[in-house]
Amino acid sequence: GAVVSQHPSWVICKSGTSVKIECRSLDFQATTMFWYRQFPKQSLMLMATSNEGSKATYEQGVEKDKFLINHASLTLSTLTVTSAHPEDSSFYICSGQGQGETQYFGPGTRLLVL
Amino acid sequence: GNSVTQMEGPVTLSEEAFLTINCTYTATGYPSLFWYVQYPGEGLQLLLKATKADDKGSNKGFEATYRKETTSFHLEKGSVQVSDSAVYFCALRGNTPLVFGKGTRLSVIA
Repeated sequence: GAVVSQHPSWVICKSGTSVKIECRSLDFQATTMFWYRQFPKQSLMLMATSNEGSKATYEQGVEKDKFLINHASLTLSTLTVTSAHPEDSSFYICSGQGQGETQYFGPGTRLLVL
Repeated sequence: GNSVTQMEGPVTLSEEAFLTINCTYTATGYPSLFWYVQYPGEGLQLLLKATKADDKGSNKGFEATYRKETTSFHLEKGSVQVSDSAVYFCALRGNTPLVFGKGTRLSVIA
């Protein structure tokens, strides 16, 4: 199946700093990228959807100025958590979709804000 | 809106036991239905899917049948192995991105 990578796999940062997470589709072109957040023992909550070259569409309750999403190419999307705070600590997962409807998920990035 | 409800876990079974994880959904139209699996420390992997009523998805011994009349997509496996220990997510996709259930953690003991 198609492969999606994420980098870094985990990151620890100080409160107030910004963190960038990269998501790459390795063997297909992801026209649409999705970013999810997963709390411990909870389901995935969709944060935003982005199409290559367009502005991301954020779900209700997600601060677009805090979670900056860039989808500059068909194989790369980035999520930047700006001015991170402890409540932003979570597991962030990206997903890429090509021409079909199947979404392929990255392994996730665990963020811990101290 | 679209939603997915799956049985609460955790589920603990002995090796070779029969597995059922219930999943029901609410959706407008005719969604596609999915089961994803998340092994410890890894991302979600597509386990199986069904795109229309009465379709049966199957993979690695797991099966699920799209039942429109009961709006269900229960996951079954006849004989589980220790390596099946993971979290299983039921999901649907209509005219929106994937909507997930809360996940069911399965532990299989030898």
